[in-house]
Amino acid sequence: KAGVTQTPRYLIKTRGQQVTLSCSPISGHRSVSWYQQTPGQGLQFLFEYFSETQRNKGNFPGRFSGRQFSNSRSEMNVSTLELGDSALYLCASSLTGFSGNTIYFGEGSWLTVV
Amino acid sequence: AQKVTQAQTEISVVEKEDVTLDCVYETRDTTYYLFWYKQPPSGELVFLIRRNSFDEQNEISGRYSWNFQKSTSSFNFTITASLVVDSAVYFCALVSANSGYALNFGKGTSLLVTP
Repeated sequence: KAGVTQTPRYLIKTRGQQVTLSCSPISGHRSVSWYQQTPGQGLQFLFEYFSETQRNKGNFPGRFSGRQFSNSRSEMNVSTLELGDSALYLCASSLTGFSGNTIYFGEGSWLTVV
Repeated sequence: AQKVTQAQTEISVVEKEDVTLDCVYETRDTTYYLFWYKQPPSGELVFLIRRNSFDEQNEISGRYSWNFQKSTSSFNFTITASLVVDSAVYFCALVSANSGYALNFGKGTSLLVTP
């Protein structure tokens, strides 16, 4: 059974640019959530999607956005990149997002903003 | 508000030693779930265990064991006879129906096992 797949794994962007990260959840999983991990702030919740609807959003500026497609695949976008956006972005999937579900993570996308 | 505290920032042990990673949580919800994840240098968060708030039974899986105590709001993780491959950062996390589908993570404990 394939796990959570994230692409790209590594990328370098310049300040002011935008970036799109992709996530394919485990087959059958309809909930996808995104987390940002930095040395200073640790793991922080970005947003969660279920059936193409955003159900919750963390405390991040509007430059961070996402969407989910009908096949449950998800993308997140960061516009007008800042140096502080350099981080590991992790995607997670679960069956329904219900707190009782097991939540599985992908390998993450390492973003460096220069 | 929910909070997870992993007071141990770094732990270093010699192979074959036992090591316990502490996790203390705060929540007002009566139904919640606790998780432990392992993060090797590659970055992936590897799921280790999920425990619900109504099940205080301790669990053992091979060299891993977990001690859940609601009375002290703790969910500690013990590795018996540690191996070099156990070296990683370990995260404890909490989620409940009122957390909006979001995992609240502790800051993590970096475990180094040396030969």
